[in-house]
Amino acid sequence: QKEVEQNSGPLSVPEGAIASLNCTYSDRVSQSFFWYRQYSGKSPELIMSIYSNGDKEDGRFTAQLNKASQYVSLLIRDSQPSDSATYLCAVNPRGTASKLTFGTGTRLQVTL
Amino acid sequence: DAGVTQSPTHLIKTRGQHVTLRCSPISGHKSVSWYQQVLGQGPQFIFQYYEKEERGRGNFPDRFSARQFPNYSSELNVNALLLGDSALYLCASSPGTDREAFFGQGTRLTVV
Repeated sequence: QKEVEQNSGPLSVPEGAIASLNCTYSDRVSQSFFWYRQYSGKSPELIMSIYSNGDKEDGRFTAQLNKASQYVSLLIRDSQPSDSATYLCAVNPRGTASKLTFGTGTRLQVTL
Repeated sequence: DAGVTQSPTHLIKTRGQHVTLRCSPISGHKSVSWYQQVLGQGPQFIFQYYEKEERGRGNFPDRFSARQFPNYSSELNVNALLLGDSALYLCASSPGTDREAFFGQGTRLTVV
């Protein structure tokens, strides 16, 4: 079982719709969770961090964390073509000195 | 404020050679981590340094080494390059060991 799992996609949504990206992780003691956006040929850009159960909203982005079910999700409202990118889920397992474990990423395509 | 800066941005090396990659963290950040990203995969953790001490090491061979300087900048060294070392090498800067990590633009290494 992979430590962090994501559907590789592509996930295709029309412009203006809500995009829902999901991630599951295997280490129950994980404490910190992050979503990064990566455009093709570029480096990852941090868009959301979440540390406690529930929802965290920032503009059009909402991160959701459920530690009991070991999943974290990212919702993108009013999706724009500029949101087309690969979204990486990253987990920081407790006690590993800030080592981030990444999923393989979900490619999102926002269509006109 | 300047973000994380990495140099060089692109590099072509021959098998068996040595390479040094450099990273300057965000001002005030004391933690630097290195990641390797091959095409189609998420970044893989190589090293983390905090306050000039190694705080974590990923599953990479001893050909990989790193260090952090008093000004918190860092170098990643790879000896005896293999074709499989071709990847995007990412440096991440963080205020501490359990906080958000911000990536530089990366160094694209091609081994021929």
